[in-house]
Amino acid sequence: KQEVTQIPAALSVPEGENLVLNCSFTDSAIYNLQWFRQDPGKGLTSLLLIQSSQREQTSGRLNASLDKSSGRSTLYIAASQPGDSATYLCAVKNSSYKLIFGSGTRLLVRP
Amino acid sequence: DAGVTQSPTHLIKTRGQQVTLRCSPKSGHDTVSWYQQALGQGPQFIFQYYEEEERQRGNFPDRFSGHQFPNYSSELNVNALLLGDSALYLCASSDGQGGKEKLFFGSGTQLSVL
Repeated sequence: KQEVTQIPAALSVPEGENLVLNCSFTDSAIYNLQWFRQDPGKGLTSLLLIQSSQREQTSGRLNASLDKSSGRSTLYIAASQPGDSATYLCAVKNSSYKLIFGSGTRLLVRP
Repeated sequence: DAGVTQSPTHLIKTRGQQVTLRCSPKSGHDTVSWYQQALGQGPQFIFQYYEEEERQRGNFPDRFSGHQFPNYSSELNVNALLLGDSALYLCASSDGQGGKEKLFFGSGTQLSVL
């Protein structure tokens, strides 16, 4: 049974810091891994999608990596801003085609 | 290009009642999935609809049912509501079921059961 874990559960950093969010999964048989952002009480905004054959994806200040063999992914945020404050969710798509989510990392970027 | 739209945005019901939530997928998408997100948790998969049929189902009781219409829009029905059904219900759409496609989510329906 696929399980997804995100560490840390919460993170508070000063503006301008570079930071790394971690995601681990127990079954390496995945189709892809997706990182989402969620603002309080809102839906999910897709940030990056990494197919199982890829090692990383970049969009602006965001970079996500995938290591299937070790069951890990990281989301790197460069030069963090207060507007980056949100919950970041990692989700893997396993062989049953459904997304399995972690519980998220709540990020607060202090001005 | 309209994204995934859900209605209503908020809903308050009492225990034992029934509720229907609605979802219109992103233009060009034919597959709709529903997720339940409890406070402080990641979303949990409820079921997926493709070609007007339920294709996959998560660990949810039969009180949760759905429907997909010929225009690919979808409804989620929950009968005999329990307090524990209070959650954010998210709809996601994608193009096909190949496994590699990206999912796009709506803003969700916040359901409160009193």
